[in-house]
Amino acid sequence: GQQVMQIPQYQHVQEGEDFTTYCNSSTTLSNIQWYKQRPGGHPVFLIQLVKSGEVKKQKRLTFQFGEAKKNSSLHITATQTTDVGTYFCAGRAGGTSYGKLTFGQGTILTVHP
Amino acid sequence: DAGITQSPRYKITETGRQVTLMCHQTWSHSYMFWYRQDLGHGLRLIYYSAAADITDKGEVPDGYVVSRSKTENFPLTLESATRSQTSVYFCASNLPGQGYEQYFGPGTRLTVT
Repeated sequence: GQQVMQIPQYQHVQEGEDFTTYCNSSTTLSNIQWYKQRPGGHPVFLIQLVKSGEVKKQKRLTFQFGEAKKNSSLHITATQTTDVGTYFCAGRAGGTSYGKLTFGQGTILTVHP
Repeated sequence: DAGITQSPRYKITETGRQVTLMCHQTWSHSYMFWYRQDLGHGLRLIYYSAAADITDKGEVPDGYVVSRSKTENFPLTLESATRSQTSVYFCASNLPGQGYEQYFGPGTRLTVT
């Protein structure tokens, strides 16, 4: 079945440093979504990418979808303590019934002030 | 607008007991999902449902049963709880189609002793 691998599993940064998490799928995706989960909370949708090579920005967050639609990345510029949490990518394969998502393992981000 | 709720929020049960986790959403979303979250595994899909009376297995269905007699409710039952089912369980829902984000409930932390 479809697998989505996400690295790194953990990332510790000093406040102000940049952060990147990478996501790779074993199959071509129709779209990919990113979610953020604050400590003790539930996943919350951040963004969806659909087109090959797509780049979207949300303030200090930059999301990319690879040309082959099998990989994606999330980059945070100048991290802040409010960025702490787990970031998940979640991919949908083409023709997936019910809009099922396959989640990556997540990257746990710690930001030291 | 209550959104999506889960109950109980915390549950401790003994090995071999049956336990049911409840999920209720007020948006009339047709698609609903159950995930378990374990460190290093991300979010793994247990069961999903496209509509009332339509359910299907996800990635890790063994030991779990679901039902969906009403659109708004999607209970998850552990027929005979095992320690390996100690986890955080999230219910989610979304509108039909592949282009929509999933909305997650607050989660149920289940401990099987």
